[in-house]
Order: sequence, then C-alpha cells, then structure tokens
Amino acid sequence: DQQVKQNSPSLSVQEGRISILNCDYTNSMFDYFLWYKKYPAEGPTFLISISSIKDKNEDGRFTVFLNKSAKHLSLHIVPSQPGDSAVYFCAAKSGGSEKLVFGKGMKLTVNP
Amino acid sequence: DAGITQSPRHKVTETGTPVTLRCHQTENHRYMYWYRQDPGHGLRLIHYSYGVKDTDKGEVSDGYSVSRSKTEDFLLTLESATSSQTSVYFCAISPNAAGGGETQYFGPGTRLLVL
Repeated sequence: DQQVKQNSPSLSVQEGRISILNCDYTNSMFDYFLWYKKYPAEGPTFLISISSIKDKNEDGRFTVFLNKSAKHLSLHIVPSQPGDSAVYFCAAKSGGSEKLVFGKGMKLTVNP
Repeated sequence: DAGITQSPRHKVTETGTPVTLRCHQTENHRYMYWYRQDPGHGLRLIHYSYGVKDTDKGEVSDGYSVSRSKTEDFLLTLESATSSQTSVYFCAISPNAAGGGETQYFGPGTRLLVL
C-alpha cells in the first residue's frame, strides 16, 4: 500500500510558466516532507523540504505548500526553465524515523 | 557535493552469481542507505545502517544483505542474483535521521543487469 503518491507520471510546461507538481500521502504520522530532483544517469539531489508545522516554504523559484488536512503537498516552480526538466520525487518521514518513503516520481518537461 | 562514490557504476552478471556493490563516503555521516529504483516504483529502501555494524531492513530487503565494518563503507550483497534484481541501485548518506532539518545525499548509482 503506497503511502506517498504522485498520481501524475508526467507534466509538460512552457518555459517561463508555472510548474505545479502534486503529492498525496496517507500516513498521518508523517511530519517532514522533501522534494528531490533527478536527472538521467545521476543520483537524486535534494531540492526543498517542509516541516508539518509550516504550510509553506520558499527557496528562490521553488515553493512547497503543505495542506495537512488534505494530506497533500505541492511543489511550485516559477518561472520554469528548460534545466528544470527532470524526474521529481516527493518523500516523507515520520518523527524519529531514519527512513524516507518516496513516491514513484513525476517527469517534468519544460519546453523552450 | 557530498563525497559519495559507488562501485561499480555498471555491472552485468548472470543469474545465480553473487554480487557485491560498494558505497564509500568521505563525509563521516552516521547513516547510510541502499535504495533501488525501478520504473513505476520510484525509490524503495533495501537496507540501511545507523552505525558501524548496525543495520536494519527496509521495505524490499529479501534477497539482499548488507555489511558496514567501517563508517565510510556500506556494502550491499546479492547472495544469488535473480533477474528481478535488475535495477539501478543508489546509496545515500545522512548525518542524522532523515528529515528534521537534515536530508539524505545520494550517490551516482550502480546500474545492474542480471541475465
């Protein structure tokens, strides 16, 4: 049973527009959420995170929103750039756990 | 970039043979993890270590064993490789438990093909 879900396998947007990547979770014990970006033939790299005590965290062009009541988080990329084209993974953990639970990933394509 | 290397980067082996993948870090981080990435499954945790000689299972540990005799090295062994273990394997490290202000840093991956 998947605890972290990225229901859309892919998204295509135009350069300069907003990209919105969604993630849902089922485990109410999760209290920390992360987004990773992965280019082909490379390991995932950390992008941004949010604690459950917040509902928004921003870092440059990247903003993550958390809606705890809906068990939903989203990553907004504004403006999108061709270099943002990658697979994005949503991940979550519960307090005290050493383990992250990842979603299946979503492929973002930003067209010039 | 976190100092993580994985070896080999690519390997082709035959069903039934033993395979060992190595993860080496220069960051002196306490936690080390092995994941596999497969289409339609994302990243799944195989085993992890929270210190020298301290390891525990992840969600897909069957058919795999691990060892950590030194802080810097974490070995993943497929005792008898099967075609279902064809995958890309990633090692990750973390100074503390994942999350809570810390995160995991990933190695470049090992692509394993079991024929």
